[in-house]
Amino acid sequence: DAGITQSPRHKVTETGTPVTLRCHQTENHRYMYWYRQDPGHGLRLIHYSYGVKDTDKGEVSDGYSVSRSKTEDFLLTLESATSSQTSVYFCAISETQETQYFGPGTRLLVL
Amino acid sequence: QQQVKQSPQSLIVQKGGISIINCAYENTAFDYFPWYQQFPGKGPALLIAIRPDVSEKKEGRFTISFNKSAKQFSLHIMDSQPGDSATYFCAASYRGNQFYFGTGTSLTVIP
Repeated sequence: DAGITQSPRHKVTETGTPVTLRCHQTENHRYMYWYRQDPGHGLRLIHYSYGVKDTDKGEVSDGYSVSRSKTEDFLLTLESATSSQTSVYFCAISETQETQYFGPGTRLLVL
Repeated sequence: QQQVKQSPQSLIVQKGGISIINCAYENTAFDYFPWYQQFPGKGPALLIAIRPDVSEKKEGRFTISFNKSAKQFSLHIMDSQPGDSATYFCAASYRGNQFYFGTGTSLTVIP
């Protein structure tokens, strides 16, 4: 998976609790992305980063925040998890804004 | 509103046959059209991509056909093999920032 790790790989949490997902890369790629994958929706972009401390919103950013304090780490935070945020979350990295390399994913279940 | 519409949702093809997956888009500003392949439990992986200045791109058994006037593009898998059984996603982006994915096609190649 192109030097990308995601943690945790699986998480079960309760509605209203905060959750942070971590994406770590060893490729030194400039661009990093967070997607969620849901049946019938494909992959939808949540947030992306084009450098340290430089982030922007994607298609489905409501209820999510991100931070990137180091090139290698991109954090996705659900401030107060809801059942509608149950999903598989993928991190992706890119050097050219074209080819994206995806991580192994994190399965999140919000009860 | 789905920026990229993909069909069919599922496809069953005999070994050696041709698999065809279609996508359509509305935003004429899109300038990059990749196809991703995803196996169960894995993140998507880039298969092949095209820019709108060419009508066709071929890599091995995989071909993208692009029709700019119709705002459609398709993936053709020649001599389909059981190992090609996976979910395929088309996508489109503008200047590499926002990527919009189709809803996916589950391909099954029968031996």
